[in-house]
Amino acid sequence: DTAVSQTPKYLVTQMGNDKSIKCEQNLGHDTMYWYKQDSKKFLKIMFSYNNKELIINETVPNRFSPKSPDKAHLNLHINSLELGDSAVYFCASSHLPWGTNTGELFFGEGSRLTVL
Amino acid sequence: DAKTTQPPSMDCAEGRAANLPCNHSTISGNEYVYWYRQIHSQGPQYIIHGLKNNETNEMASLIITEDRKSSTLILPHATLRDTAVYYCIVRDNNAGNMLTFGGGTRLMVKP
Repeated sequence: DTAVSQTPKYLVTQMGNDKSIKCEQNLGHDTMYWYKQDSKKFLKIMFSYNNKELIINETVPNRFSPKSPDKAHLNLHINSLELGDSAVYFCASSHLPWGTNTGELFFGEGSRLTVL
Repeated sequence: DAKTTQPPSMDCAEGRAANLPCNHSTISGNEYVYWYRQIHSQGPQYIIHGLKNNETNEMASLIITEDRKSSTLILPHATLRDTAVYYCIVRDNNAGNMLTFGGGTRLMVKP
């Protein structure tokens, strides 16, 4: 079984549309994250949730809204998509919040979003 | 978090040791050194981390200089499957801040 799974793996859509990316982890972890990887391969944190509560929200446009129905799921909804949103989005989880000595993040396979 | 500097790319012969350097000259006393790698089209994978002592696990060894301003990740017997981008990150585990992965080193293991 995949530890952290994301769907869809690929998403191609038009500017202005609304889309969602789903993430599920079966590791029993308390904390989940969304990262964005740009074309230069820089990977930046977007959000972090601990037990369904938002604990980190970096400078991300309001068009991005994470939702955590339970601690095993963290979905990313994006409104009014723009060309600059094209990137690979990675979901990750860790046993403890990143402020503690957790050491290890487990990443999903990524979701490549292309906005035309 | 302190910034890190890594060479953009390196080659290594299959079966030889791969030594990947990382410079983190502005590291502070509470900051750990983490290494992750990203194989093409996959998510990043944790390799190892350390504070000031050298560390070893089943994947790699981490050598941190005494002044902690630089470190080296060692893959003792590189295989073709070790071809990936390797990221060196430093962060303070008590600060609650998150990782940002820089450009990393693209390691190419050649037959």
